[in-house]
Amino acid sequence: ETGVTQTPRHLVMGMTNKKSLKCEQHLGHNAMYWYKQSAKKPLELMFVYSLEERVENNSVPSRFSPECPNSSHLFLHLHTLQPEDSALYLCASSQEPRGNQPQHFGDGTRLSIL
Amino acid sequence: DQQVKQNSPSLSVQEGRISILNCDYTNSMFDYFLWYKKYPAEGPTFLISISSIKDKNEDGRFTVFLNKSAKHLSLHIVPSQPGDSAVYFCAASARLGSNTGKLIFGQGTTLQVKP
Repeated sequence: ETGVTQTPRHLVMGMTNKKSLKCEQHLGHNAMYWYKQSAKKPLELMFVYSLEERVENNSVPSRFSPECPNSSHLFLHLHTLQPEDSALYLCASSQEPRGNQPQHFGDGTRLSIL
Repeated sequence: DQQVKQNSPSLSVQEGRISILNCDYTNSMFDYFLWYKKYPAEGPTFLISISSIKDKNEDGRFTVFLNKSAKHLSLHIVPSQPGDSAVYFCAASARLGSNTGKLIFGQGTTLQVKP
């Protein structure tokens, strides 16, 4: 059983659609993260949750709406996205939301906006 | 303004030789550094880390060196194996004063190890 599971692996949607990305971690961690990786750019942190509470919102547009119902699950709700939002979206978790702890990543959702 | 830079987009090495991947940073508040490895269609996998109180950390074939005065770190892989072919990312964080675990990543270096 992989530590961090993301679904779906691929998603194609129109700009007016509403969809959600799902992440589940089986590591007993307390912190979860959403990252975005655009082509030829470094990974960019989007959101951090610690024990279901959002502790960081890295200037992300409101068309991305995260939800953390419990410490094992994290969602990213998408609506009215733009073509430039096409990217790889990665979820990660760590024991605590501290910079001196390795984060464990899922395999990502490849999102394409038509 | 990129705070963590990997200036070499790619590196090619012969099997059995040493691979050296480099990373530079600009923020003097960074005090914890990590290396991740990523295969195609998979998420990044944690490899090795180093705290700023050390200048070297070793784990099997992987060694990370930190030069704080130069704001430079490097990952050495000895001996290199074809299975090491992947994209390598360095990342940095400022633990003190941070409660969010925020990591800043470099752009990545693609390593190819030829048999």
